[in-house]
Amino acid sequence: AQKVTQAQTEISVVEKEDVTLDCVYETRDTTYYLFWYKQPPSGELVFLIRRNSFDEQNEISGRYSWNFQKSTSSFNFTITASQVVDSAVYFCALSESTGANNLFFGTGTRLTVIP
Amino acid sequence: EADIYQTPRYLVIGTGKKITLECSQTMGHDKMYWYQQDPGMELHLIHYSYGVNSTEKGDLSSESTVSRIRTEHFPLTLESARPSHTSQYLCASSMPPWAGGADTQYFGPGTRLTVL
Repeated sequence: AQKVTQAQTEISVVEKEDVTLDCVYETRDTTYYLFWYKQPPSGELVFLIRRNSFDEQNEISGRYSWNFQKSTSSFNFTITASQVVDSAVYFCALSESTGANNLFFGTGTRLTVIP
Repeated sequence: EADIYQTPRYLVIGTGKKITLECSQTMGHDKMYWYQQDPGMELHLIHYSYGVNSTEKGDLSSESTVSRIRTEHFPLTLESARPSHTSQYLCASSMPPWAGGADTQYFGPGTRLTVL
């Protein structure tokens, strides 16, 4: 059965600190996709990244970076030099190649960046 | 940037009223979804659709119903609203792999429903 675990419910950091949001997943599929979404206070979910299970290269986009490790079934998200605008709830999600291809979301991590 | 719209953004109604939450997308996506998000943040899939005339129930049982008469439109209806329906409702769409897409879901801004 598929499952996504975000053990950190809430994190607070001071502006300019680095922060890592953890995501651990479970799936029996060999082909799957992992996602991160950001939900700011306005409520909309904003797509950040999609990785497939065959691509373990880490990715960097500005202050954001993602570390995908199949050996530990983890897809962690790091924000470097955090800013107040990064305050949001962040969701990790999994989509399997079989079945309905729907997203299974983690329970989210609320990040608060203190100025 | 995704083009998916939801109306109304906020709705406060009394118990027993019939309501329809609107969702439209202009990206030509085949697949559309409705999620319910409780105050504890967790997202629950309540309905989805593969395309016109297709509707499926999601992981969370819901008293709401949906229809998909046009590709771009996926409204959600509650025949008789109750306080337990108070929640945020998020609509999303994606282009599935069989249609040449990456199946990434793009979300609308959400409707925050309060039933008194």
